[in-house]
Amino acid sequence: KNQVEQSPQSLIILEGKNCTLQCNYTVSPFSNLRWYKQDTGRGPVSLTIMTFSENTKSNGRYTATLDADTKQSSLHITASQLSDSASYICVPYGGSQGNLIFGKGTKLSVKP
Amino acid sequence: KAGVTQTPRYLIKTRGQQVTLSCSPISGHRSVSWYQQTPGQGLQFLFEYFSETQRNKGNFPGRFSGRQFSNSRSEMNVSTLELGDSALYLCASSLAGGGYEQFFGPGTRLTVL
Repeated sequence: KNQVEQSPQSLIILEGKNCTLQCNYTVSPFSNLRWYKQDTGRGPVSLTIMTFSENTKSNGRYTATLDADTKQSSLHITASQLSDSASYICVPYGGSQGNLIFGKGTKLSVKP
Repeated sequence: KAGVTQTPRYLIKTRGQQVTLSCSPISGHRSVSWYQQTPGQGLQFLFEYFSETQRNKGNFPGRFSGRQFSNSRSEMNVSTLELGDSALYLCASSLAGGGYEQFFGPGTRLTVL
């Protein structure tokens, strides 16, 4: 069964600190993995998309890593800002139409 | 380029009523997917439309239906509303669905009383 597990469920950090969010998935076959940022009550916004052959991808202060062999991904946020407070969702794509499996997300709170 | 738009943004209905939500995708995008998001749950896939045809369907009851028009705009209908249908309904557009990047709209917050 295709599953996605994200950890931690929630995280509180101080502004300026770094943090790393984890994602384990069992989607097979595997085509690519996406990380989304979702502000409360809004639609998700794409941060990165990585294919199975990519190990690292950056988007500003966000860096995603992927290990397709162990089916693990992480999202590292550097020098956090108050605006980083949101849910971060890991979404592996299984290569068939409509087969996007959404994790429940990690809720990040950045405090001043 | 304008983003994905959804109307209305907020909706309050009572049990037993029906509701229609609308989604206008990014110009040139032919795939529209619909998702339901409830507190504490990940996005649940409802269905995907491509070129006016439903291409994929999630595990939701038949009360949930949709359609897509020739201009790629899509509507989602929920009949005989239940309290559990209260959720944020999101639509996402992409060039052709599948592995293409999806762009989400702001969502419609539906409350069923």
